[in-house]
Amino acid sequence: KQEVTQIPAALSVPEGENLVLNCSFTDSAIYNLQWFRQDPGKGLTSLLLIQSSQREQTSGRLNASLDKSSGRSTLYIAASQPGDSATYLCAVKDRDDKIIFGKGTRLHILP
Amino acid sequence: EAQVTQNPRYLITVTGKKLTVTCSQNMNHEYMSWYRQDPGLGLRQIYYSMNVEVTDKGDVPEGYKVSRKEKRNFPLILESPSPNQTSLYFCASSSGRLAGTDTQYFGPGTRLTVL
Repeated sequence: KQEVTQIPAALSVPEGENLVLNCSFTDSAIYNLQWFRQDPGKGLTSLLLIQSSQREQTSGRLNASLDKSSGRSTLYIAASQPGDSATYLCAVKDRDDKIIFGKGTRLHILP
Repeated sequence: EAQVTQNPRYLITVTGKKLTVTCSQNMNHEYMSWYRQDPGLGLRQIYYSMNVEVTDKGDVPEGYKVSRKEKRNFPLILESPSPNQTSLYFCASSSGRLAGTDTQYFGPGTRLTVL
């Protein structure tokens, strides 16, 4: 059974620093992996989606990588800002088209 | 505006009283799904549908029903709600992996309390 893990559960960094969030999954047979952010009491906003055949995707200050063989993805945030404070979630779509989420990393950017 | 809508946004009900949470998308998406989000457990998929009249169980389907009679609608039905179904529920849709990009778009959530 596919399991998705995100470590650490919480992270605080000073404004302006670059940071990396981690996501690992146990079964490499996935169709895609997606990163989301969730603000408190709100829904999920898609950040980046990486197809299984891709290695990375970029959008603005965000870069997501995928190493399917090792079961890992990272989300790199450059020049962090207080507005980046949120919970970041990764989710994989497996070969049965099920979607499995990690429990998220709660990020706090210190002004 | 492209969106996923859910109704109601908030609901308080009592044990055993049947309820339906509606979900609708206007993006002509093939794939739709329901999730529940609980503290410490994260988001878990309840049911998903890859097309009209096709539904499949996610990780936590017990106590829930769904139907996909039209492409745009995917209602979640709780025939006999119990307190352990108190949760925050999200509906989501995407074009499906065969269509290329498969970005999931989420509705605003429905906060359900079962007394």
